Amino acid sequence: DGGITQSPKYLFRKEGQNVTLSCEQNLNHDAMYWYRQDPGQGLRLIYYSQIVNDFQKGDIAEGYSVSREKKESFPLTVTSAQKNPTAFYLCASSMYGQGTQYFGPGTRLTVL
Amino acid sequence: GQQVMQIPQYQHVQEGEDFTTYCNSSTTLSNIQWYKQRPGGHPVFLIQLVKSGEVKKQKRLTFQFGEAKKNSSLHITATQTTDVGTYFCAGPRGGNTPLVFGKGTRLSVIA
Repeated sequence: DGGITQSPKYLFRKEGQNVTLSCEQNLNHDAMYWYRQDPGQGLRLIYYSQIVNDFQKGDIAEGYSVSREKKESFPLTVTSAQKNPTAFYLCASSMYGQGTQYFGPGTRLTVL
Repeated sequence: GQQVMQIPQYQHVQEGEDFTTYCNSSTTLSNIQWYKQRPGGHPVFLIQLVKSGEVKKQKRLTFQFGEAKKNSSLHITATQTTDVGTYFCAGPRGGNTPLVFGKGTRLSVIA
């Protein structure tokens, strides 16, 4: 089955710890994205990557970091510098930069 | 920068009533996409509109792209409880940069 997966579904961390969220796709898409969604809010772009070994900051990149070492994988690290990390994190991919986006099931991060 | 505004933010309807959400862009769009996110789920692509004045239908859903390609609407006829969720529109920012999403319209359907 082709698709995009995120793990884990729920994640709990203590304040001050870095945490890495996984995102994998087997759709052979070039572009991948990370969004943050807060309750009742829209999608805010954190980082995106349109090609392996390259990525750009989105609208709310502060406190986050990413890597794109493989086409299939785009992990997101939520660092201790992120002031309000508790949120729903969605990963997406598309064939090209403005193409239809396919979303993973998301990871709900709670920082205690 | 490019902005996509959606109204209303929330809509509560009785089952069987119609529902419309509107999407407005500050600039002309080459295309517009619509997504649906069920409660607790993730956004799922519904449709893309490309041509000026384009109208597309998916069963009870009707999507329109304005003549000036700066606005779009999604109309649901005779809502059902399965229509519950948040509907997002999204348009290109320009160049080969990611889509910009509207904040969405959350639809509640009262049975």
